[in-house]
Amino acid sequence: DQQVKQNSPSLSVQEGRISILNCDYTNSMFDYFLWYKKYPAEGPTFLISISSIKDKNEDGRFTVFLNKSAKHLSLHIVPSQPGDSAVYFCAASRGRGNTPLVFGKGTRLSVIA
Amino acid sequence: DADVTQTPRNRITKTGKRIMLECSQTKGHDRMYWYRQDPGLGLRLIYYSFDVKDINKGEISDGYSVSRQAQAKFSLSLESAIPNQTALYFCATSDFTGGVNNEQFFGPGTRLTVL
Repeated sequence: DQQVKQNSPSLSVQEGRISILNCDYTNSMFDYFLWYKKYPAEGPTFLISISSIKDKNEDGRFTVFLNKSAKHLSLHIVPSQPGDSAVYFCAASRGRGNTPLVFGKGTRLSVIA
Repeated sequence: DADVTQTPRNRITKTGKRIMLECSQTKGHDRMYWYRQDPGLGLRLIYYSFDVKDINKGEISDGYSVSRQAQAKFSLSLESAIPNQTALYFCATSDFTGGVNNEQFFGPGTRLTVL
């Protein structure tokens, strides 16, 4: 049973526009949520995170929104750039440092110049 | 220098062979993980270790074994490789406190092909 779901395998966006990547989770015990970015032939790299005590976290062009009642989070990238083209993984965990991350299947973002 | 290194980076082997993938880290983290990535399936946890004497099975541990030789080293073995173990394998580490972002740090991956 998939606890972290990314239902869109791919997304194409024009350069300069907003990219919105979505993630749903089923385990109400999750309290930390992260987004990772992965380029081909490289390992995933951390992008941004949010804890369940917040509903929004920003870091430059990247913003993560958390809706606990809907068990849904989203990653907004504004403005999108060609270098943002990558696979984005949503991940969740219970507790801080206590349990492994559970990953979604990923969404491939293509930013078209 | 990379903080999390994996060897080999690429490996082609035959069905039935024993294979070991190695991971080393210089981050001083006590927690280490092995994941595999398959197209369309994301990252799935194979085994994890919270310290040298601690080994835990993940979601897909069948057909794999691990050894935590030291705090900095965590190896993954396929005792008798089979073609459906063809995948990208990633090692990751994390701090026991979770760090600032509760994040894990990943190595560059090993591409394993089993013929």
